[in-house]
Amino acid sequence: AQKVTQAQTEISVVEKEDVTLDCVYETRDTTYYLFWYKQPPSGELVFLIRRNSFDEQNEISGRYSWNFQKSTSSFNFTITASQVVDSAVYFCALTGTASKLTFGTGTRLQVTL
Amino acid sequence: DTGVSQDPRHKITKRGQNVTFRCDPISEHNRLYWYRQTLGQGPEFLTYFQNEAQLEKSRLLSDRFSAERPKGSFSTLEIQRTEQGDSAMYLCASSFVLARSTDTQYFGPGTRLTVL
Repeated sequence: AQKVTQAQTEISVVEKEDVTLDCVYETRDTTYYLFWYKQPPSGELVFLIRRNSFDEQNEISGRYSWNFQKSTSSFNFTITASQVVDSAVYFCALTGTASKLTFGTGTRLQVTL
Repeated sequence: DTGVSQDPRHKITKRGQNVTFRCDPISEHNRLYWYRQTLGQGPEFLTYFQNEAQLEKSRLLSDRFSAERPKGSFSTLEIQRTEQGDSAMYLCASSFVLARSTDTQYFGPGTRLTVL
């Protein structure tokens, strides 16, 4: 069975601080994909990134960066210089041989001025 | 391109009533997924279609739930004899997938169901 754990339920930071959201996963599949989605207060899940299990290169997109470490089964997400618009619930998700996504319970990020 | 759309956005019903939700995927997407999300939790998979074929159903999908995608385009999710435990956000996602590849799912705004 697949499992995604996001141990941080809620994080509060002041604008311009850096913040890292943790994600740990479990799977028996040798080929799998990891995702991050953002869910703002409006409720719609917004796709942020997808990585496959064979590509451990870190990725940076503007203020966002992702650190994938297979050795620790982690796929962490860092927001640099956070902004109020980053306030949302962030979900880490996993898919393997099955097409369905398995989500974590999410981390609520609150960025204040 | 328009994104995934869902209708209605909100539905309030009384226990025992039937409800039907509609999802219109992104044009040309061949896969369509339904998920359910309760407060404070991540979305949970319910079922998915590739074109008009329903390929997988979760054990969460009791006999009171039925989903269709008759022409491989829009999909409907019907809940019969609603119960208070059915109160949740119902999310639809769509994707385009080629054989032996994986897909990225794009989500709609959801339908929030409240059963009184």
